[in-house]
Amino acid sequence: DAGVIQSPRHEVTEMGQEVTLRCKPISGHDYLFWYRQTMMRGLELLIYFNNNVPIDDSGMPEDRFSAKMPNASFSTLKIQPSEPRDSAVYFCASSFFSGRANEQFFGPGTRLTVL
Amino acid sequence: KQEVTQIPAALSVPEGENLVLNCSFTDSAIYNLQWFRQDPGKGLTSLLLIQSSQREQTSGRLNASLDKSSGRSTLYIAASQPGDSATYLCALLTGGGNKLTFGTGTQLKVEL
Repeated sequence: DAGVIQSPRHEVTEMGQEVTLRCKPISGHDYLFWYRQTMMRGLELLIYFNNNVPIDDSGMPEDRFSAKMPNASFSTLKIQPSEPRDSAVYFCASSFFSGRANEQFFGPGTRLTVL
Repeated sequence: KQEVTQIPAALSVPEGENLVLNCSFTDSAIYNLQWFRQDPGKGLTSLLLIQSSQREQTSGRLNASLDKSSGRSTLYIAASQPGDSATYLCALLTGGGNKLTFGTGTQLKVEL
């Protein structure tokens, strides 16, 4: 398996523009997570899905952020409009529910810079 | 709210030394604990996962322990190598077994 795939790997955009980050989870995994990593706040969970359904979006910073999972092999995280403080590395992770194991596997991340 | 702290924040050791990284947490109601490695500009690589009912896990030169009663986990690295240089993160699975809370990380440098 290729692991979790994210695109793009790097994104530079101007304030006010719409940004869309993409993720393909590991085949067969039923959970998908979006995280954000910054120097100030470390790694934070934004939202996670189970069987394509959003379960907990309490980490989404504000209404400018939205996430979708139209099918088991694809998810997007959208920021509209983007702001400089959104600059961070965004990670997607997936896992397969197996009781107490639930090991999460991370993608390589998307480094977002908003000018 | 779960608080996860890692000490030290940074560590520099000579090659070949055995070392211990520490992870402390405030809420013992966890499902499992994962140790990750993150190389600069890269994603996270899962190293070890300890389930809440387990006390330790081993993989090669790595050994992770878990003591829920004291809210502590340690990652032991034997015979360290320059290739072990990276940031090590512990993360606890809570909230019904789906939400990972990450520690602050330990930046390790192994020198020749």
